[in-house]
Amino acid sequence: QQQVKQSPQSLIVQKGGISIINCAYENTAFDYFPWYQQFPGKGPALLIAIRPDVSEKKEGRFTISFNKSAKQFSLHIMDSQPGDSATYFCAASNFNKFYFGSGTKLNVKP
Amino acid sequence: GAGVSQSPSNKVTEKGKDVELRCDPISGHTALYWYRQSLGQGLEFLIYFQGNSAPDKSGLPSDRFSAERTGGSVSTLTIQRTQQEDSAVYLCASSLGSPSRDTQYFGPGTRLTVL
Repeated sequence: QQQVKQSPQSLIVQKGGISIINCAYENTAFDYFPWYQQFPGKGPALLIAIRPDVSEKKEGRFTISFNKSAKQFSLHIMDSQPGDSATYFCAASNFNKFYFGSGTKLNVKP
Repeated sequence: GAGVSQSPSNKVTEKGKDVELRCDPISGHTALYWYRQSLGQGLEFLIYFQGNSAPDKSGLPSDRFSAERTGGSVSTLTIQRTQQEDSAVYLCASSLGSPSRDTQYFGPGTRLTVL
């Protein structure tokens, strides 16, 4: 059973547009929700993370929106740039065990 | 300072052979994870080490997989009698303490191909 479901699988956005990636989870015991960015040939790197006691967290152009009642969270990339083209993974954690979504390949067109 | 390093970067082996993958975490990091990333898939948790505590092995897919962490630092993931379905990128990550409090840093991975 997939613990974290991520969509879309791929996303094409024009430069300057907003990229939105969504994740849903079932286990209400999850208490930490990070997003990772991965470039080809590299390991994932932590982008931004949120805990369920807040509904939104913003860092620069990246924002996590968190809906506890719906058990959903999403990543918004404002003013998307070609350099943002990468694969993005959401994850959820409980007791130091991490469950990852299947990834979204983002392509930002110049 | 140096990040998480993994070796080898690529490994091609024949079905049935044993392989060892190495992870050097960031110095001083007490938590260490191994993940498996199959083509086009998310990361699958394999095993978690925290300090001197017994590791959480609940993600290991079969008894052909094992891992150890010597002296609280370097870790080795061993896959015995490799199968073609073991082909994947194996990623190691470390964090200073609990990954839900401290950032989890990933290595570049080892791409394993089983022929």
